[in-house]
Amino acid sequence: RKEVEQDPGPFNVPEGATVAFNCTYSNSASQSFFWYRQDCRKEPKLLMSVYSSGNEDGRFTAQLNRASQYISLLIRDSKLSDSATYLCVVNFGDNTGKLIFGQGTTLQVKP
Amino acid sequence: GAVVSQHPSWVICKSGTSVKIECRSLDFQATTMFWYRQFPKQSLMLMATSNEGSKATYEQGVEKDKFLINHASLTLSTLTVTSAHPEDSSFYICSASPPAAYEQYFGPGTRLTVT
Repeated sequence: RKEVEQDPGPFNVPEGATVAFNCTYSNSASQSFFWYRQDCRKEPKLLMSVYSSGNEDGRFTAQLNRASQYISLLIRDSKLSDSATYLCVVNFGDNTGKLIFGQGTTLQVKP
Repeated sequence: GAVVSQHPSWVICKSGTSVKIECRSLDFQATTMFWYRQFPKQSLMLMATSNEGSKATYEQGVEKDKFLINHASLTLSTLTVTSAHPEDSSFYICSASPPAAYEQYFGPGTRLTVT
């Protein structure tokens, strides 16, 4: 079983649509959770951290369910520029600072 | 956010040669940096943790004698791919976390092609 699982997609949505990505993780000791965005042939960029209480940043909302070991990302009013791969990331659950990456979910927003 | 640079951004080398990649934290000090490798259509795989002033910690399956890591200062870590082979061709990315932060910030990556 993969440590961080995501549906690879691709998700093809029209501009303005709302799209949701889900992720599950296997290590119950993980304490830090993130969504990163990666454009083709570029490095990952931090989109947002994910907290138990849920957090929102503009059109983006992230949720964490520790009991189910489940993380979600909701994107509202999709823009063409949102097209990218979204990586679900969790830490190792120790003090090493190491992160585990999901394989990513590809989003393609079409006009 | 914090800024991490990486050099070179791309390199082509011949089989059997060595390539050095530099990773710098530009606006913060990093006692720990991380090196990843990413093959096409795959996710990032952690290769090693670079520790300032001490030996790097390698992930299982990563040859420490092939991928030499040096973290000589609080802002610079280097990865040297020794005796490179075509199967070492990949996208190498470093990252670092500012003090007291859990998130990592990535360098722009180095695309290595071994011919």
